[in-house]
Amino acid sequence: GQQLNQSPQSMFIQEGEDVSMNCTSSSIFNTWLWYKQEPGEGPVLLIALYKAGELTSNGRLTAQFGITRKDSFLNISASIPSDVGIYFCAGPSLVNGNKLVFGAGTILRVKS
Amino acid sequence: NAGVTQTPKFQVLKTGQSMTLQCAQDMNHNSMYWYRQDPGMGLRLIYYSASEGTTDKGEVPNGYNVSRLNKREFSLRLESAAPSQTSVYFCASSLDRGGTDTQYFGPGTRLTVL
Repeated sequence: GQQLNQSPQSMFIQEGEDVSMNCTSSSIFNTWLWYKQEPGEGPVLLIALYKAGELTSNGRLTAQFGITRKDSFLNISASIPSDVGIYFCAGPSLVNGNKLVFGAGTILRVKS
Repeated sequence: NAGVTQTPKFQVLKTGQSMTLQCAQDMNHNSMYWYRQDPGMGLRLIYYSASEGTTDKGEVPNGYNVSRLNKREFSLRLESAAPSQTSVYFCASSLDRGGTDTQYFGPGTRLTVL
């Protein structure tokens, strides 16, 4: 089935720094989703991308749908302590009945 | 409006014991899902229910059974728990089955099998 590879696996950054993470696949996706999971909670949808090349923002978060349809990027500007959590990319599988496939996640820690 | 609720929050079982994880949503969603989350592996789909009265296997269904009791409730049963089933289990729901529909997740059940 389709798989999503996220990098980096984890990041430990200083408050105020910008953060970049990405998600890649060997096959195309028609939708890219970015979720955030805070400690002890379930994932929450941050941004959804539906068109190749699309750039979408949600506050300090910006995500892009790669032009090849095989990757997506999430940037967080001016990080704050409440950005801590696990960030997952996800997309509906084209070979498995549209069921969501998740990446392994990027763990973000912020030093204040 | 509570969204997606799950019970229990924590559970410890011995190998071979059985238990049922409960999930309910109050958003009038048609589709419901059960995932497990293991370190470094993201979320993997166990079973899903596209609509009331239907259930289908996901990526990792072995060792589990599900029941879509009504439109609101979707339960996950472990008949004979094994240590490999130690995980965090999430229930989710969406308006429809399409992958582009936003899935709303519950807070999770942390299960340890000794």
